[in-house]
Amino acid sequence: DAGVTQSPTHLIKTRGQQVTLRCSPISGHKSVSWYQQVLGQGPQFIFQYYEKEERGRGNFPDRFSARQFPNYSSELNVNALLLGDSALYLCASSLEGRATYEQYFGPGTRLTVT
Amino acid sequence: DQQVKQNSPSLSVQEGRISILNCDYTNSMFDYFLWYKKYPAEGPTFLISISSIKDKNEDGRFTVFLNKSAKHLSLHIVPSQPGDSAVYFCAARSGGSNYKLTFGKGTLLTVNP
Repeated sequence: DAGVTQSPTHLIKTRGQQVTLRCSPISGHKSVSWYQQVLGQGPQFIFQYYEKEERGRGNFPDRFSARQFPNYSSELNVNALLLGDSALYLCASSLEGRATYEQYFGPGTRLTVT
Repeated sequence: DQQVKQNSPSLSVQEGRISILNCDYTNSMFDYFLWYKKYPAEGPTFLISISSIKDKNEDGRFTVFLNKSAKHLSLHIVPSQPGDSAVYFCAARSGGSNYKLTFGKGTLLTVNP
C-alpha cells in the first residue's frame, strides 16, 4: 500500500513568488494536516482538513491557504513568499480528524526561497 | 512561547544500554502525548503515545512515563540498538483543539555499536 505522497520533493522559489504543494493521503484516510518544519525546530501545525472542511488553523499569516479535494488529496498554497518560508513542509494523513489518531507523515517538500 | 520543550539537542548511548529522552511541557490543557521518530529524508513516524490519565505505557522496547505534577514525560528505549539512531520528537495534543499537535524541537539520538 502506498503511504502519504507529496510533490514536489524539492522546490526553489524567489521572494514574492507563489507556490503550491501537493499531498495525497493514504487510501481511505479522510484527514490531512500540514506542518512546517524549519531547520532545528519541530514541526509546526499549519492546517487540518477533515472531510474537505477546514478543522483548524495554526498561527500562520493569510498568505498560507489550503484546500482538500473530493478524493481527499490536498494542496497548500503560499503567496508572496518570504525568505523565512524556507522549510520542510510535511503532510500527514489519518483516518479521523482527531490528532490522537495515528498520523502518517509523508517525506515532505523542501522549499527554498532565495 | 514554546509549550513543549526538549532541552537536550542530542544524546549518545552505547548499544544495549538504556536511552532516556526527556520532554517538558507548560500547557495544562495538554491531555495526550506522543513520540515520533524521524530519519533523514523521511517524515516522522509514530512511535508510542500516552493519555494524561495514565502514568506509563509500554510497547516492546519502548516505554513512556508521564509525570503530570512535574509536567514531564520521558521515553525509555531498552535495549538501545544502532537502528534507533534518529531524531525523536515529543508532541502533545490540547483537549481544547484536538485536531493539532504541538511538537518539541527534537533530540538526536545516536546509538553507538
